[in-house]
Amino acid sequence: AQTVTQSQPEMSVQEAETVTLSCTYDTSESDYYLFWYKQPPSRQMILVIRQEAYKQQNATENRFSVNFQKAAKSFSLKISDSQLGDAAMYFCAYRTNNAGNMLTFGGGTRLMVKP
Amino acid sequence: KAGVTQTPRYLIKTRGQQVTLSCSPISGHRSVSWYQQTPGQGLQFLFEYFSETQRNKGNFPGRFSGRQFSNSRSEMNVSTLELGDSALYLCASRQMMNTGELFFGEGSRLTVL
Repeated sequence: AQTVTQSQPEMSVQEAETVTLSCTYDTSESDYYLFWYKQPPSRQMILVIRQEAYKQQNATENRFSVNFQKAAKSFSLKISDSQLGDAAMYFCAYRTNNAGNMLTFGGGTRLMVKP
Repeated sequence: KAGVTQTPRYLIKTRGQQVTLSCSPISGHRSVSWYQQTPGQGLQFLFEYFSETQRNKGNFPGRFSGRQFSNSRSEMNVSTLELGDSALYLCASRQMMNTGELFFGEGSRLTVL
């Protein structure tokens, strides 16, 4: 069974600085997707960034980028120029190529942003 | 375009009762899935529906069931409620089963007393 592990229950960053959230996963599949979702206090989950396993290039979305290390099964999220609005729970998630919407989530990392 | 709408947002039930939660996906989205979020177990996949058929099911007891209507709206039902069923139930929709971004609703917060 696939598992996703986020080893940092809480992280704190100063506004305008950079923070990296860690995620590791375990799978025997070769074709899969990885995601980072953000869940603000309002609770609505929002997709931050996605990475296809077959792509060697790390995904980037504005201030958000990932470091995808397929051999190490590691998928970290880097947030640059942190803003107060980045404060939220961040979840790493995995799904295989043909698994529909069946995501496996990590336990989450609570990110606090200090002004 | 309206987002994923879940009703009710909050509800309180007692043990042994049953509950039905509703989810209206984004217009045009045909795939709907449900997740349970608890502090102890985190986010867990419940089931997924596409074209009124259950396509995938998570590891939950038979007390948890769902369905999807022809207009893609979905309901999930939990019978014989237990204290451990207290959770945030999230619905998510997508255009098709394996393409497009997954959009989540704000959830229905169920408290079982």
